[in-house]
Amino acid sequence: QSVLTQPPSVSGAPGQRVTISCTGSSSNIGAGYDVHWYQQLPGTAPKLLIYGNSNRPSGVPDRFSGSKSGTSASLAITGLQAEDEADYYCQSYDSSLSGWRVFGGGTKLTVL
Amino acid sequence: EVQLVESGGGLVQPGGSLRLSCAASGFTFSSYEMNWVRQAPGKGLEWVSYISSSGSTIYYADSVKGRFTISRDNAKNSLYLQMNSLRAEDTAVYYCARSIRTAATGVGDYWGQGTLVTVSS
Repeated sequence: QSVLTQPPSVSGAPGQRVTISCTGSSSNIGAGYDVHWYQQLPGTAPKLLIYGNSNRPSGVPDRFSGSKSGTSASLAITGLQAEDEADYYCQSYDSSLSGWRVFGGGTKLTVL
Repeated sequence: EVQLVESGGGLVQPGGSLRLSCAASGFTFSSYEMNWVRQAPGKGLEWVSYISSSGSTIYYADSVKGRFTISRDNAKNSLYLQMNSLRAEDTAVYYCARSIRTAATGVGDYWGQGTLVTVSS
């Protein structure tokens, strides 16, 4: 059971907008710790998609955006493309666990 | 270009040991915190361990505490993970990742390709 909760799967048609939620608690997201998002294409290493809740690293398209409110965070993908089909993970820090970085269970995005 | 290259994975019997290495290049290794993250077959990402840039601060996930040891050699631009008393549930691809400089709690802005550790008799 992951400390951060994500839906196992989401789907959308090309061009549509999808969102992936990441729900935490008062000891992680709700405590003000940043949320980061990673994209993992099939058979590859994870790639940083969003850091510090809403910042995109250089090279990440602006179709990807992140937000945070209360004990939850969200990743939004607009203008869905076939190459966006991947697993997405949120990650934060939990103050109840010394040094612990924590991941969500991951969400499989299917482009219909 | 930032590169992280893991090595040292393989097949080991339960109770055995392995030492993973991560060779870093393309950046000033000694200035960055580093992490190990693993992914069991068909499962999600699990953070394993963190080490500060100097090596003075170290953290472990409860699942590996007392069995795994993270270390680094800044002169050799290398990160290590000594894994002892291995269990079947340690079977996973192990990634080294460079901490996000501007977001201290972030596990990785760059990741290696991973090395597979299989614990089985």
